Amino acid sequence: DAGVIQSPRHEVTEMGQEVTLRCKPISGHDYLFWYRQTMMRGLELLIYFNNNVPIDDSGMPEDRFSAKMPNASFSTLKIQPSEPRDSAVYFCASSSSSYEQYFGPGTRLTVT
Amino acid sequence: KNEVEQSPQNLTAQEGEFITINCSYSVGISALHWLQQHPGGGIVSLFMLSSGKKKHGRLIATINIQEKHSSLHITASHPRDSAVYICAAWKGSNYKLTFGKGTLLTVNP
Repeated sequence: DAGVIQSPRHEVTEMGQEVTLRCKPISGHDYLFWYRQTMMRGLELLIYFNNNVPIDDSGMPEDRFSAKMPNASFSTLKIQPSEPRDSAVYFCASSSSSYEQYFGPGTRLTVT
Repeated sequence: KNEVEQSPQNLTAQEGEFITINCSYSVGISALHWLQQHPGGGIVSLFMLSSGKKKHGRLIATINIQEKHSSLHITASHPRDSAVYICAAWKGSNYKLTFGKGTLLTVNP
């Protein structure tokens, strides 16, 4: 298996632009997580899905952030409009009922 | 105060030394995860444990549920062990993990 796949790996954009991050979970995993990592706050859970349904989005910072999972093999995290304080590394992870989470390589987002 | 606290924040060791990283948590948990993040960012799950001890190669993780404390030990440390080690608590009521801030380990040759 290729593991969790994220794209793009790096994104540089200007303030106010829309940013879309993509994730393909491991086949057969029914949980998908989006995390954000910054120097100040470490790793934080933004939202997670079970069987494509959002279960907990309490970590989503504000309305500028949205996440979707249209099918079992694809999820997006969108920021619109982006702001410099959104600069971070965004990780996607997937899991099955074994609870161990497998992380993707991350997307490093820089908003100027 | 964070629900999950790690110590030390930074740790420098010489190759071959025995390493201990500590994790304390203030909430009831079902399991605790230890993660490793190498420079460049990739995160790998090392252990998930809810009681006792687990061993994988030179890595050993222990947990004391009553004392709300876990330790990660590395025996015969090597420069390739240099990474950030993160503990994360799983409460069990859902699949959410609460993360510590991480311990940056540098092992010098």
